[in-house]
Amino acid sequence: GAVVSQHPSWVICKSGTSVKIECRSLDFQATTMFWYRQFPKQSLMLMATSNEGSKATYEQGVEKDKFLINHASLTLSTLTVTSAHPEDSSFYICSAREGGVDQPQHFGDGTRLSIL
Amino acid sequence: QKEVEQDPGPLSVPEGAIVSLNCTYSNSAFQYFMWYRQYSRKGPELLMYTYSSGNKEDGRFTAQVDKSSKYISLFIRDSQPSDSATYLCAIYTGRRALTFGSGTRLQVQP
Repeated sequence: GAVVSQHPSWVICKSGTSVKIECRSLDFQATTMFWYRQFPKQSLMLMATSNEGSKATYEQGVEKDKFLINHASLTLSTLTVTSAHPEDSSFYICSAREGGVDQPQHFGDGTRLSIL
Repeated sequence: QKEVEQDPGPLSVPEGAIVSLNCTYSNSAFQYFMWYRQYSRKGPELLMYTYSSGNKEDGRFTAQVDKSSKYISLFIRDSQPSDSATYLCAIYTGRRALTFGSGTRLQVQP
């Protein structure tokens, strides 16, 4: 149980394009979803938290116009990197939680984004 | 002081060894303690979840919480090369999301 699917797993695109990453909870309803960024050999950096039907809450220093998050249903959240540039290249990972803060977060397998 | 501190390693052990991974935390009020395993280029996978002091066992894995010392541990018995990964502790510290340790890289040598 508690499977989170993230798609695509790897994307390469040209500078200036926008990229959308999907995160789905397959066997539970995700009241809260999280988006992280991870640099090589570093820990997870929280970018934003979203609740279904509400605007996402962004962490300090994360550009909300650059990283658009939509959490339209209890099983789907999307992250769109707008006008991507090489410095946006990174490993992006989503996670989802069913219920309150006493419940664990379950992670997708991440998306490797490479901007040329 | 960081809320959650974890030795980054790397930790290298021979196959079959008992591995001890540890985290300390800053506030005795913190609760809900988790351990995740992350293989290279994959998302973290939940291994253990506990909310009280004491031990919790699952197969070769034992999670230990000592709230009086603000210390949590993950023990891996009979370690295997397939256990080679980065292990992350995570604690609910009152924020919106879990607070993660920096991760310990483990290498189990065959």
